[in-house]
Amino acid sequence: GAVVSQHPSRVICKSGTSVKIECRSLDFQATTMFWYRQFPKKSLMLMATSNEGSKATYEQGVEKDKFLINHASLTLSTLTVTSAHPEDSSFYICSARRGTSLTDTQYFGPGTRLTVL
Amino acid sequence: AQSVTQLDSQVPVFEEAPVELRCNYSSSVSVYLFWYVQYPNQGLQLLLKYLSGSTLVKGINGFEAEFNKSQTSFHLRKPSVHISDTAEYFCAVTPKYNFNKFYFGSGTKLNVKP
Repeated sequence: GAVVSQHPSRVICKSGTSVKIECRSLDFQATTMFWYRQFPKKSLMLMATSNEGSKATYEQGVEKDKFLINHASLTLSTLTVTSAHPEDSSFYICSARRGTSLTDTQYFGPGTRLTVL
Repeated sequence: AQSVTQLDSQVPVFEEAPVELRCNYSSSVSVYLFWYVQYPNQGLQLLLKYLSGSTLVKGINGFEAEFNKSQTSFHLRKPSVHISDTAEYFCAVTPKYNFNKFYFGSGTKLNVKP
């Protein structure tokens, strides 16, 4: 199947700093990319949907000024956690879809573990 | 709104035994249903999906699931598990009117013992 990578896999940062997480579709062009957040023993929660070249659509309750999403190309989306705080510590997962049809599978990255001290 | 419940956080089972992972959902609109598997340090992989047609769907690695609309369930089954099936399994739904929005359950850790 298609491959989606995330970098870094783990990151530890100090409170107040910003952290950027990259999501890449390695062998296909992704029309749409998604960012999820997963708390321990909880389900994945969709944070935002992004389409290449346009602004991301954020889910209700997600602060767009805190979680900056950029979908700069058809193979790269970035999530920047600005002024991170300990409560932002979580597992962040991206996914990518080749097309806009329901039958286009979402391919998921392996996730990034963010720890804010 | 949609929600997905996976009541079993962990399911231990011996190798070659059958297994069923339960998934129930709640939704005010029609949905599509999915099962994903996550192996350690890897992304979620699609196991199977129900879009329409036969309520019994077959997926990869010998898994199958049955959509039961009246019970709002989509349980995952395998008649004989292998050690390599040890992983976390996620059930998900997406509303038919907006299939960009996935709602996931909290996952079930399947632990296959020798």
